[in-house]
Amino acid sequence: SAVISQKPSRDICQRGTSLTIQCQVDSQVTMMFWYRQQPGQSLTLIATANQGSEATYESGFVIDKFPISRPNLTFSTLTVSNMSPEDSSIYLCSVERVKQQETQYFGPGTRLLVL
Amino acid sequence: RKEVEQDPGPFNVPEGATVAFNCTYSNSASQSFFWYRQDCRKEPKLLMSVYSSGNEDGRFTAQLNRASQYISLLIRDSKLSDSATYLCASKKTGRRALTFGSGTRLQVQP
Repeated sequence: SAVISQKPSRDICQRGTSLTIQCQVDSQVTMMFWYRQQPGQSLTLIATANQGSEATYESGFVIDKFPISRPNLTFSTLTVSNMSPEDSSIYLCSVERVKQQETQYFGPGTRLLVL
Repeated sequence: RKEVEQDPGPFNVPEGATVAFNCTYSNSASQSFFWYRQDCRKEPKLLMSVYSSGNEDGRFTAQLNRASQYISLLIRDSKLSDSATYLCASKKTGRRALTFGSGTRLQVQP
């Protein structure tokens, strides 16, 4: 499995501010994804982070609210913009490795609370 | 209807019991299937992939039934450490992202 780190691990933010979450992988991966897991819920895909081009967003998620960057094959960021309490959630990145294209591994997640 | 559905449980079983979870999927384009385990306040960890021929890993057995569009996970000789939420996930043809069920909570009791 890949070693995946996320920063910050948790944060408490004020309404109207933005937070950028970083995801770093120890080796090159083909695919990187961002998921959200709201309290007591399952995982919902936000977007696929594409290296060198714009992310592909799922229905209900837009670039203005969740801008994503992926400048290389081992790093991606997700920004949660203009936050409201409804954005309180766990944000997880996941990766699919070059030689393991069928399986995805998750980072430890970023626990966000918006007041 | 959700694309992937699971019984949320909780399943409360004694140590040593055998327990089975089912997960149904509605999209026939779903091609690959997985079971993940998620402990409280932790990220999901891959438990096993599910192959058409079924697969076994120690006390865990996964089966796929394409005709009825469900996958199953069987846990034999349950341990206290098996207590967790078990998430099933599917991947559709031509799509790399996973679609998750809501998870089934298992509580193994002494």
